[in-house]
Amino acid sequence: DAGVTQSPTHLIKTRGQHVTLRCSPISGHKSVSWYQQVLGQGPQFIFQYYEKEERGRGNFPDRFSARQFPNYSSELNVNALLLGDSALYLCASSLGQGNSPLHFGNGTRLTVT
Amino acid sequence: GQQVMQIPQYQHVQEGEDFTTYCNSSTTLSNIQWYKQRPGGHPVFLIQLVKSGEVKKQKRLTFQFGEAKKNSSLHITATQTTDVGTYFCAGNAGNMLTFGGGTRLMVKP
Repeated sequence: DAGVTQSPTHLIKTRGQHVTLRCSPISGHKSVSWYQQVLGQGPQFIFQYYEKEERGRGNFPDRFSARQFPNYSSELNVNALLLGDSALYLCASSLGQGNSPLHFGNGTRLTVT
Repeated sequence: GQQVMQIPQYQHVQEGEDFTTYCNSSTTLSNIQWYKQRPGGHPVFLIQLVKSGEVKKQKRLTFQFGEAKKNSSLHITATQTTDVGTYFCAGNAGNMLTFGGGTRLMVKP
């Protein structure tokens, strides 16, 4: 079975631009969560979606948005990119919301110049 | 908001020595999860603890959940070079899983 897949793997953008990151969960998983991981730090929670509805949101500005599609895949959008948005963006899927263990993808490495 | 702290931030050990990382939450948790991230990789789920005072073992790894469900520890006996990586605890209070800053383990052969 395929694990969580994320695309692209690497991305270089300029300040002020917009970016869309994509994630396909493990088959059968209905929950997708997005995390931002800055080098040397732990993953920071951005969003959780379950059954296509937002179920949790971390302390990130409105420039960050996400959605989940009927096939449970998800997109994370970031507008008006800042240098500080440079990070590894991790998508994780789980069977349910809340207490279920997370299965992470390999992440998208975003560099903003 | 909920905060999860881990100590130490880094730990160098000689192969064969023991290693322990500690995790503390500012709020009572419904459960705690542990993940391992190898250099250049992504976090991989190790275990989940749910009950107050729970202890679980996976070969050389021992995980504990505190009585008050606000702290946890991971102990590795006789470290091996394959144990290298960053170990994260993640506390669950509601629908949000909050990760600690991690403890980076380095093992000298």
